[in-house]
Amino acid sequence: AQSVTQPDIHITVSEGASLELRCNYSYGATPYLFWYVQSPGQGLQLLLKYFSGDTLVQGIKGFEAEFKRSQSSFNLRKPSVHWSDAAEYFCAVGAGTGTASKLTFGTGTRLQVTL
Amino acid sequence: NAGVTQTPKFQVLKTGQSMTLQCAQDMNHEYMSWYRQDPGMGLRLIHYSVGAGITDQGEVPNGYNVSRSTTEDFPLRLLSAAPSQTSVYFCASSYWQGSGELFFGEGSRLTVL
Repeated sequence: AQSVTQPDIHITVSEGASLELRCNYSYGATPYLFWYVQSPGQGLQLLLKYFSGDTLVQGIKGFEAEFKRSQSSFNLRKPSVHWSDAAEYFCAVGAGTGTASKLTFGTGTRLQVTL
Repeated sequence: NAGVTQTPKFQVLKTGQSMTLQCAQDMNHEYMSWYRQDPGMGLRLIHYSVGAGITDQGEVPNGYNVSRSTTEDFPLRLLSAAPSQTSVYFCASSYWQGSGELFFGEGSRLTVL
């Protein structure tokens, strides 16, 4: 069975600083990987996804993530954080070809942005 | 566009009571699912459906029932609520089961006393 680890429970960055959120996955085949964001009191929204091809994927709101098979990682990055990026971020892995919507989520990283 | 609509947003139950969390989507999505979110545990899949008339169990199905009689609706039933079912519940849908892009409702916060 697949699994996802997000080692950082809580991260604080200053507005304008760069951001990297870590995600490690466990999956036997080529993974389908996702990052979702949850604002307070809201449901989750897809930021970006990786299925195949270019290992650096671009998402919405200026986010990007890099798939590194050798490290089983899919870290999320943003060059310059805005106060509105404060939220909880979830990494997820899909069940496989044809069942990518059956997602297993990590425990989340809460991002705080200081002004 | 309404997207994924969940009702109720808040509910308090006593142990042993039953209730149904409603979920409806207006995007003609084939795939629908229910997750529960608990502090420090992320989201865990309860049940999912790949189309009308087809449902299957996820990671934590015990204590919950589902049915999918139409494409639009995917209700989650708690037959005999327990305090361990206190959680925030999210319904999510996608165009088909292979897309990976889930659209989430705003959640239903359930407290079982």
